[in-house]
Amino acid sequence: SYELTQPPSVSVSPGQTARITCSGDALPKQYAYWYQQKPGQAPVLVIYKDSERPSGIPERFSGSSSGTTVTLTISGVQAEDEADYYCQSADSSGTYDVFGTGTKVTVL
Amino acid sequence: QVQLQESGPGLVKPSQTLSLTCTVSGGSISSGSYYWSWIRQPAGKGLEWIGRIYTSGSTNYNPSLKSRVTISVDTSKNQFSLKLSSVTAADTAVYYCARAEPPLGTALDYWGQGTLVTVSS
Repeated sequence: SYELTQPPSVSVSPGQTARITCSGDALPKQYAYWYQQKPGQAPVLVIYKDSERPSGIPERFSGSSSGTTVTLTISGVQAEDEADYYCQSADSSGTYDVFGTGTKVTVL
Repeated sequence: QVQLQESGPGLVKPSQTLSLTCTVSGGSISSGSYYWSWIRQPAGKGLEWIGRIYTSGSTNYNPSLKSRVTISVDTSKNQFSLKLSSVTAADTAVYYCARAEPPLGTALDYWGQGTLVTVSS
């Protein structure tokens, strides 16, 4: 079955930039979505359709796509951005969705 | 403001069927065009997409769970449901219901708080 691969962890100092990648063969054909999940809470959508930001999400969150990899960028990281981040996308036919393996962002 | 709330037994015996309901408030489940989805997360692990039902009634399921999963909608109660048969300990997880609105693609913009289901005898 289809898989999306993310790095297990990313560490970043406050004010610096964090980049989280998500790789999958169908990403050139399917949109990607990104979620932030803090302990004990439901995930929150932070990016949709590769690079669109929902209302209420800070501008420091941005998304991009290049070939089989999509990237979530957090510019000027703040302590409150420490969380798990998951990408989501569909298989090549759009029949079902999958989540990435997840990345834990640690703010040093 | 749309709100989703999961409900159902917190403990299910192995080989039985897990049944959960998601109650939608703040809007009609049958108005507009939405995907109503189920996602689960074992303790300490990542998210797993289970499946979804479209407002029209069509469904999509995770291939790895497809033989055991049924998602349905009850418009009279403004609810949608998940049934997962022949459960094992591997099905122990927090189960979330969520909504996707097609203008946003299949992005899950509203989530329930999640409910823990434990499979144990």
